[in-house]
Amino acid sequence: GENVEQHPSTLSVQEGDSAVIKCTYSDSASNYFPWYKQELGKGPQLIIDIRSNVGEKKDQRIAVTLNKTAKHFSLHITETQPEDSAVYFCAASYQIQGAQKLVFGQGTRLTINP
Amino acid sequence: DSGVTQTPKHLITATGQRVTLRCSPRSGDLSVYWYQQSLDQGLQFLIQYYNGEERAKGNILERFSAQQFPDLHSELNLSSLELGDSALYFCASSHSGSGGRTDTQYFGPGTRLTVL
Repeated sequence: GENVEQHPSTLSVQEGDSAVIKCTYSDSASNYFPWYKQELGKGPQLIIDIRSNVGEKKDQRIAVTLNKTAKHFSLHITETQPEDSAVYFCAASYQIQGAQKLVFGQGTRLTINP
Repeated sequence: DSGVTQTPKHLITATGQRVTLRCSPRSGDLSVYWYQQSLDQGLQFLIQYYNGEERAKGNILERFSAQQFPDLHSELNLSSLELGDSALYFCASSHSGSGGRTDTQYFGPGTRLTVL
């Protein structure tokens, strides 16, 4: 079945530095790749997503890149701030008989050190 | 605030009991998804409903069931509860959830279930 691998599981960076989180997926038919941020005690919040017809998407300090050939995608956060500390999840979509599913990676706990 | 609401926020119960979790999707969304998040399992997809009908099933136990009502709110029923069912349960909604284009899913704040 569909599988999403996410690395690293924990990441600690100095405030102002960049953070990169990488995911690989198994189903070549996947066409939608969202990233969610989950703060303590809250539900996952969509921060950026990319569809398979583009290779890169940016939103201020956040960017996502997609390599469909290699079946991997990455989240890049630049100029990190303490409020970026959270758990980040990548996901890949796949469809079965017209129904949509998201398969999530195991999450990356990002800590920004002041 | 995603616009998805879930009640209750916390639930503490005993093994063998039955509980019902409730979710109201964002206004205009037709699909509701249920996920389980435990410490060592990440976010696991349980089940999807679209406009009142079951559309997709994931790793949902036979002791668990769900339904979506005409007003599009959904309930997840967990019965014969075991210690291992303790987890966060999230509901998400999307506009469609079927067809060729994958819709964005918006998550609610979750229900924390503790089984003692």
